Amino acid sequence: NAGVTQTPKFQVLKTGQSMTLQCAQDMNHEYMSWYRQDPGMGLRLIHYSVGAGITDQGEVPNGYNVSRSTTEDFPLRLLSAAPSQTSVYFCASSYLGRSSGANVLTFGAGSRLTVL
Amino acid sequence: KQEVTQIPAALSVPEGENLVLNCSFTDSAIYNLQWFRQDPGKGLTSLLLIQSSQREQTSGRLNASLDKSSGRSTLYIAASQPGDSATYLCALATSGSRLTFGEGTQLTVNP
Repeated sequence: NAGVTQTPKFQVLKTGQSMTLQCAQDMNHEYMSWYRQDPGMGLRLIHYSVGAGITDQGEVPNGYNVSRSTTEDFPLRLLSAAPSQTSVYFCASSYLGRSSGANVLTFGAGSRLTVL
Repeated sequence: KQEVTQIPAALSVPEGENLVLNCSFTDSAIYNLQWFRQDPGKGLTSLLLIQSSQREQTSGRLNASLDKSSGRSTLYIAASQPGDSATYLCALATSGSRLTFGEGTQLTVNP
């Protein structure tokens, strides 16, 4: 059971380039999400999805796009990378609809992105 | 908007000491509160989850409490070990699985 798999683990981009961070889970989780982690700011929610075909914005969505064509995959796209997007990105997933919203998130290992 | 604060930002203790990590939040309308552990360069691992109707949860040497009325949670670690060295984050769910995180407490347990 692989859990949540993120690729790549490391990436360096130049300003203006585009790229996609991949996230896949094999637990049949309905909910998937992307967070970014920055020093002194904790983890902040970028986008999330409650099922295939359904996505919504989190706290810091600008500059990022997502799609959810399958239950397993939730890629995060940077359309035109900026230095402010230098960060560590985490994908996380969980079940939905369990008792009283007690949904434990499973996190991927993270993708470290540097934009020059 | 929910705000989550963790104090202290860093803590260094000798091995064997019992310790308490603190988490405070501004909105008591929560679904649950979770404590996570993060090792350097790694993802987050869920340690304990307290539902909004519960007061505490225990797992081994870890005990987490929740007091919604005062907007506080504590993570108690008994008989700390060097392997407990990591960053500990608390996170609150105010709707579904959307979490608001604190900035974390970096714990170092010295042999």
